[in-house]
Amino acid sequence: DAGVIQSPRHEVTEMGQEVTLRCKPISGHDYLFWYRQTMMRGLELLIYFNNNVPIDDSGMPEDRFSAKMPNASFSTLKIQPSEPRDSAVYFCASSLVRTEQYFGPGTRLTVT
Amino acid sequence: GENVEQHPSTLSVQEGDSAVIKCTYSDSASNYFPWYKQELGKGPQLIIDIRSNVGEKKDQRIAVTLNKTAKHFSLHITETQPEDSAVYFCAASRGAGKSTFGDGTTLTVKP
Repeated sequence: DAGVIQSPRHEVTEMGQEVTLRCKPISGHDYLFWYRQTMMRGLELLIYFNNNVPIDDSGMPEDRFSAKMPNASFSTLKIQPSEPRDSAVYFCASSLVRTEQYFGPGTRLTVT
Repeated sequence: GENVEQHPSTLSVQEGDSAVIKCTYSDSASNYFPWYKQELGKGPQLIIDIRSNVGEKKDQRIAVTLNKTAKHFSLHITETQPEDSAVYFCAASRGAGKSTFGDGTTLTVKP
């Protein structure tokens, strides 16, 4: 398996623009997680899905953030409108129940 | 909810020495404790994990111990090498889905 795939790997955008991050989990995994990592706040869980259903979105910082999982092999995290403080590395991870999480390589987002 | 505290935040050791990272958790229902290593520019990767029915687990130079009564668990790396330099995260989970991560420890192994 290719592991968790994220795209794009790097994204530079201007404040106010819409940003869409994409994730393909490992085939067969039934949990999918979106994290944000910054120096100041460390690794933060934004939202996670089980069998494509959002279970806990309490980490989503604002209504500007939204996440979807239309099927078992694809998820998106959207920020609209983006702000400079959204600059971070965003990770997607997937897992089976009661096992470790497999992280993707991350998307480095820079909002100018 | 679960709260995981990790110490120290930075650790510098000489090559060949041992390194120990400690974590405490608050939720007595947590039963799965993974450790992740994050190298520069990459996502965290599992290096070892332990479940609550086990007190210690070892994999070559890496070992993890768990004290359920005190709600703490530790990562031990022996004979450290420069390639062990990375950020290490502990986590705690009830086993279904969500894990709570510590803030990370930056380990530097000096040659």
